[in-house]
Amino acid sequence: SQQGEEDPQALSIQEGENATMNCSYKTSINNLQWYRQNSGRGLVHLILIRSNEREKHSGRLRVTLDTSKKSSSLLITASRAADTASYFCATDASSGSRLTFGEGTQLTVNP
Amino acid sequence: NAGVTQTPKFRVLKTGQSMTLLCAQDMNHEYMYWYRQDPGMGLRLIHYSVGEGTTAKGEVPDGYNVSRLKKQNFLLGLESAAPSQTSVYFCASREHGTGQETQYFGPGTRLLVL
Repeated sequence: SQQGEEDPQALSIQEGENATMNCSYKTSINNLQWYRQNSGRGLVHLILIRSNEREKHSGRLRVTLDTSKKSSSLLITASRAADTASYFCATDASSGSRLTFGEGTQLTVNP
Repeated sequence: NAGVTQTPKFRVLKTGQSMTLLCAQDMNHEYMYWYRQDPGMGLRLIHYSVGEGTTAKGEVPDGYNVSRLKKQNFLLGLESAAPSQTSVYFCASREHGTGQETQYFGPGTRLLVL
């Protein structure tokens, strides 16, 4: 079964707006990662947050992690049409080396 | 660097046929992975390898075999393809150790089993 569950499944916004995606997971983790997948392509790593971190920034990306609630959120600020893609969270559990992916959020940014 | 490459890009098989998917990486990574992605779903781990000559089962290993004879290559075999194996297959690799957890993905192989 999937470790991560993402919410919403699909999100449609206008260019310039912020997009927030949420991820919940079930077991304790070492880190949580977010990946992006453009249609028909492989996944690309965006950002990693470790279990002892609460917030991390990278450019227009902001990730938060709440280990007490077993949840994470990805915020994309000032979205662009080029941000249109599927976004997946992936958890690296205590066993290490393996990632378990959520089902993804399909983000559409309308110009 | 080419990164992670996969061959073929697309293949159509008949039920019962066999095939091998090849993944190659030029980053000298220790770990390699095979995933499948079905419509509307995330990736599910089939098999993985933490080093040359080693393999381990993932979440959905049935119907697949793998081999890691060379560090840079990870092969995924389907001995007798079934329609349920119609999917997009992704290979990934990463270095080992803390601080090296990012996985690098190939472009995928689309497999259709009739």
